Amino acid sequence: SQQGEEDPQALSIQEGENATMNCSYKTSINNLQWYRQNSGRGLVHLILIRSNEREKHSGRLRVTLDTSKKSSSLLITASRAADTASYFCATDLVGGSEKLVFGKGTKLTVNP
Amino acid sequence: DTEVTQTPKHLVMGMTNKKSLKCEQHMGHRAMYWYKQKAKKPPELMFVYSYEKLSINESVPSRFSPECPNSSLLNLHLHALQPEDSALYLCASSQTSGRGYQETQYFGPGTRLLVL
Repeated sequence: SQQGEEDPQALSIQEGENATMNCSYKTSINNLQWYRQNSGRGLVHLILIRSNEREKHSGRLRVTLDTSKKSSSLLITASRAADTASYFCATDLVGGSEKLVFGKGTKLTVNP
Repeated sequence: DTEVTQTPKHLVMGMTNKKSLKCEQHMGHRAMYWYKQKAKKPPELMFVYSYEKLSINESVPSRFSPECPNSSLLNLHLHALQPEDSALYLCASSQTSGRGYQETQYFGPGTRLLVL
């Protein structure tokens, strides 16, 4: 079964608004990563947050991690039409083998 | 150079054909991955190579045969595929942490495969 579950499955906002996506997982992790995928293209890495970190920033992106709740959130501030994409969280499990487990993703649409 | 390249971009094949997908990276990464992605679904891991050796096979049917000729190249040989194998095939690479952690994966643009 999928380790990470994103919420919501789909999100539609206007340009300039903030977008928040959440990811929940079930077992202990080494790190959690967020990726973006434009339609039909490869995935692009956004942020990696380690289990001992609580928050990371990259430009307009802010990622938080709450290991007690086994959840993470991705905030995109001042969204742009170019942010329209699918966003996936991926977890690196403690004691897991050399792989990431991807969640189902959130489809973000930013309307101009 | 943080690019992973994949060829071809598109591939149409019949169920009796043999074809190969190619992936290349020059970032010095020693871990390489094949994923399969169906429309509106997350990527599903197929194979992992670490230091040119197959380390993970996620119970993939034998009609998919991976090969890692050297540290920069990864191939996926296809034979006798089924229509349900039509999907986007993604290659990725990453550094190996040496501590059992997964590092950032860099993805290629994918090969869109259609099996008729």
